[in-house]
Amino acid sequence: AQRVTQPEKLLSVFKGAPVELKCNYSYSGSPELFWYVQYSRQRLQLLLRHISRESIKGFTADLNKGETSFHLKKPFAQEEDSAMYYCALSPNNAGNMLTFGGGTRLMVKP
Amino acid sequence: DVKVTQSSRYLVKRTGEKVFLECVQDMDHENMFWYRQDPGLGLRLIYFSYDVKMKEKGDIPEGYSVSREKKERFSLILESASTNQTSMYLCASSLQGIIEAFFGQGTRLTVV
Repeated sequence: AQRVTQPEKLLSVFKGAPVELKCNYSYSGSPELFWYVQYSRQRLQLLLRHISRESIKGFTADLNKGETSFHLKKPFAQEEDSAMYYCALSPNNAGNMLTFGGGTRLMVKP
Repeated sequence: DVKVTQSSRYLVKRTGEKVFLECVQDMDHENMFWYRQDPGLGLRLIYFSYDVKMKEKGDIPEGYSVSREKKERFSLILESASTNQTSMYLCASSLQGIIEAFFGQGTRLTVV
């Protein structure tokens, strides 16, 4: 069975500071990893996925298979980054299940 | 633009009632999901459907059932609502191969 762990429920930083939201996973195969974000009063939406190797809104995430981690990083946090962030995993097979972590609330203070 | 619509934004039901939460998507997605979202627990998968009439249990299926008679509609049923089912319920859909899941706006259910 797959499992996603986000060890921090709340992360508070000042504007302009670097941000790292941690995500660890357990899965016996090669999963697909995602970060989803939910801004206040908005729907949960995809932020980025590891297969795309893209940077969205200044955020990047690198899959580290050795450490089974997929941490989300941004060098300079902005106030509009304040939101709930969820790490998610899908098995790389026909299963299509999408498992989420407990979420981390990011607060960026002015 | 993909749209996933949940029938109610807020619901208040009594203990023991049978409750139906409806979700409709308009992008011909094969996969549909029901999650509940609780503070500190994140999103927990209740049920997942990958085709019409097909379903799989998620992590917390107890006390719930689902129905998928048409591809665009996925219903979550609380057979006998209990206070511990008070929560935010999120529906999502995705194409086969799950590149991206699209979420509804959520239904906040309160069981009194």
